[in-house]
Amino acid sequence: EPEVTQTPSHQVTQMGQEVILRCVPISNHLYFYWYRQILGQKVEFLVSFYNNEISEKSEIFDDQFSVERPDGSNFTLKIRSTKLEDSAMYFCASSWDQRGYEQYFGPGTRLTVT
Amino acid sequence: GENVEQHPSTLSVQEGDSAVIKCTYSDSASNYFPWYKQELGKRPQLIIDIRSNVGEKKDQRIAVTLNKTAKHFSLHITETQPEDSAVYFCAAISYNDMRFGAGTRLTVKP
Repeated sequence: EPEVTQTPSHQVTQMGQEVILRCVPISNHLYFYWYRQILGQKVEFLVSFYNNEISEKSEIFDDQFSVERPDGSNFTLKIRSTKLEDSAMYFCASSWDQRGYEQYFGPGTRLTVT
Repeated sequence: GENVEQHPSTLSVQEGDSAVIKCTYSDSASNYFPWYKQELGKRPQLIIDIRSNVGEKKDQRIAVTLNKTAKHFSLHITETQPEDSAVYFCAAISYNDMRFGAGTRLTVKP
């Protein structure tokens, strides 16, 4: 069964550095999402993406964040200048449905900002 | 934006008993309500969902109900097993923006 994959599984970075988190969505899905989960807390929506454009974004997704589909398979989340409070698990998800139904999640990237 | 409330935050049941988790949502435009199961250190896994034009859906031991008028929906797990132990999240989607509840930690004691 196809799955969403993410790399790296764990990323440690220093405050102020840029990080890029990578995702490979399920191959026939066209709608992509990023979420974050601070340890022990709920999953929070960051952004949805379709056809090389952001569809929706939350209040968390400020100018420090950007998303890109650099090629036909990868979907990336960039954090320009990391802060301590960016430490979290970041999940990518994808869906075949334009309404966002049936989203399947990747295994996550644990980002630790020191 | 959408706000999803989930109760209880923790739930402990004996193996074989039923478990019920309840959620409410605020945005009447929300039209899709999935439930995710998350085991420790793992990805959220979609276990069942319900759409706004349906009142109830069942899949083996799990069922979901939706009351659109009251803006609440529930997850029911019957004949619980130790492997059902996990954190369960409800969610609601409005305009491609999915918001999660705070989660329920379910513990099934053998």
